[in-house]
Amino acid sequence: QKEVEQNSGPLSVPEGAIASLNCTYSDRGSQSFFWYRQYSGKSPELIMFIYSNGDKEDGRFTAQLNKASQYVSLLIRDSQPSDSATYLCAGAYFGNEKLTFGTGTRLTIIP
Amino acid sequence: NAGVTQTPKFRILKIGQSMTLQCTQDMNHNYMYWYRQDPGMGLKLIYYSVGAGITDKGEVPNGYNVSRSTTEDFPLRLELAAPSQTSVYFCASSAGGTQETQYFGPGTRLLVL
Repeated sequence: QKEVEQNSGPLSVPEGAIASLNCTYSDRGSQSFFWYRQYSGKSPELIMFIYSNGDKEDGRFTAQLNKASQYVSLLIRDSQPSDSATYLCAGAYFGNEKLTFGTGTRLTIIP
Repeated sequence: NAGVTQTPKFRILKIGQSMTLQCTQDMNHNYMYWYRQDPGMGLKLIYYSVGAGITDKGEVPNGYNVSRSTTEDFPLRLELAAPSQTSVYFCASSAGGTQETQYFGPGTRLLVL
């Protein structure tokens, strides 16, 4: 059973600080990972994906992957109130059509 | 370009009733997915399709059926609705497998009483 686990939170971070969201996975065969943002009452939208060990940066967002530790994280720099949302981590195999989602971490940015 | 559209937005069903949740995408995507999301939970895959005429089960297919007669449409059928099917249902599509971005529809909120 492939599993992706996240701390459900809520995680509260002051505006302007760095928010760190974490995700662990149980299946060493998982090759790619995705971070989705979901505002309350809305549908998920993709923020970032990462395939390789190390860091991947896109604007204020940095995804980190450590395959040896089976650990994925998302860092949000200079957090803004508009970043308040639930963040879903998902994993997949290469060539597999299915994603396995974690339960999500609710993030609140405090002005 | 509307992306992924879903109807209805909200529906109340009585136990034992049936209904079809509609999903249409205008991006010419081959891959389409149906997920359910229970309160405070992540997304669970119900069914998916890699092209017209091809469907396969996900994690939680029991109580549901799908068909894919065209590239654009991927309806989800609920037969004999049960309270356990109360959830928010999301349809998504992508150009390829999981290496391509999945675009989600706005969701259908279903309440079974």
